[in-house]
Amino acid sequence: NAGVMQNPRHLVRRRGQEARLRCSPMKGHSHVYWYRQLPEEGLKFMVYLQKENIIDESGMPKERFSAEFPKEGPSILRIQQVVRGDSAAYFCASSHNPGSIGNQPQHFGDGTRLSIL
Amino acid sequence: RKEVEQDPGPFNVPEGATVAFNCTYSNSASQSFFWYRQDCRKEPKLLMSVYSSGNEDGRFTAQLNRASQYISLLIRDSKLSDSATYLCVVNAHGGQNFVFGPGTRLSVLP
Repeated sequence: NAGVMQNPRHLVRRRGQEARLRCSPMKGHSHVYWYRQLPEEGLKFMVYLQKENIIDESGMPKERFSAEFPKEGPSILRIQQVVRGDSAAYFCASSHNPGSIGNQPQHFGDGTRLSIL
Repeated sequence: RKEVEQDPGPFNVPEGATVAFNCTYSNSASQSFFWYRQDCRKEPKLLMSVYSSGNEDGRFTAQLNRASQYISLLIRDSKLSDSATYLCVVNAHGGQNFVFGPGTRLSVLP
């Protein structure tokens, strides 16, 4: 499967624990985006990364949330000391360089459904 | 004003109907435009890119009006399987991210 791979599909955590969500971009893509979606609401941009660089994190909460996209391995979205309000679907998308010529769409993974008990 | 706005919906139409969605964007530097569909509890999936001259893919037609900064999606001969939320997405080349509209929900009724 050459698509965007996210794992786990479902993640259950208790309040105060840490959640780690992983995303492997589509082959050949070097740009990764994370979004959060609450039930019955739209996608909310969180962070945009290239390999080893955070390009735009304007949608990330200032505390408890962090993201990385190391040189090797998947992108990780990390949520520390989770609270009930963190329960949501977290989608990862990847693309070619969006600044390159021509329409370069994003392709999404299946998402991780995070539930906080 | 939001960067990308869409018809609020929902749209409830009978099978076989033609339905059109509109989307407006505020960033005049936007260069790339897309329509995605999202089914309930699923990930967004690319429906089609939108090109300056307009483009068609089967029952779906997308139009771009740069002067007025709006994009449209026309669905002809609606099928039950077209029921979904349709998302308008805009990106400015060199921009930091893809901007998603809030989506318009479509329900095609038998």
